[in-house]
Amino acid sequence: QQQVKQSPQSLIVQKGGIPIINCAYENTAFDYFPWYQQFPGKGPALLIAIRPDVSEKKEGRFTISFNKSAKQFSLHIMDSQPGDSATYFCAATLFGNEKLTFGTGTRLTIIP
Amino acid sequence: NASVTQTPKFQVLKTGQSMTLQCAQDMNHNSMYWYRQDPGMGLRLIYYSASEGTTDKGEVPNGYNVSRLNKREFSLRLESAAPSQTSVYFCASLHLPYQPQHFGDGTRLSIL
Repeated sequence: QQQVKQSPQSLIVQKGGIPIINCAYENTAFDYFPWYQQFPGKGPALLIAIRPDVSEKKEGRFTISFNKSAKQFSLHIMDSQPGDSATYFCAATLFGNEKLTFGTGTRLTIIP
Repeated sequence: NASVTQTPKFQVLKTGQSMTLQCAQDMNHNSMYWYRQDPGMGLRLIYYSASEGTTDKGEVPNGYNVSRLNKREFSLRLESAAPSQTSVYFCASLHLPYQPQHFGDGTRLSIL
């Protein structure tokens, strides 16, 4: 049973646009929500993460928005660049649990 | 630079052959993980090890075995490879909950 649903599966955005990737979770006990970025031929790497006690977190051009009541969170990329083209995974985990549950991934392409 | 090293990077097997995928980390992390990545399926946990000498099943353990040889090394074995095990396999390590999982660059395995 998939516990984190991610959409869209793929996304093409023009340079400078704001791609938005959405995730929804089922388990209300989840309390840590990281996003991982993966370039072709490489392993995923942590991009940004949020705890449910805040509604938004920004790191550079990347922002996570979190809606606890809707059990949804999303990644926004401001002023997107071709170098942001990658696969993005959302994930979730429980307090004290070292296992992550990943979404199915979004393949993002930024065209010049 | 601290890293997770996976070997081999590529492998082609015939159905029924056996193989061991190797993973080593140099960050003195406690926890290590094996995932498989398939198109549209995201990252699925095969096995994980919270510490040396302990292992636990993940979401898709059937057809695999693991060994946590020491704190640095965590191997994944396919005893009798099947075409359904064609995938990209990632090893990851983690020091403490809520910290990033560090991934290797993957082993691309094809089973004919």
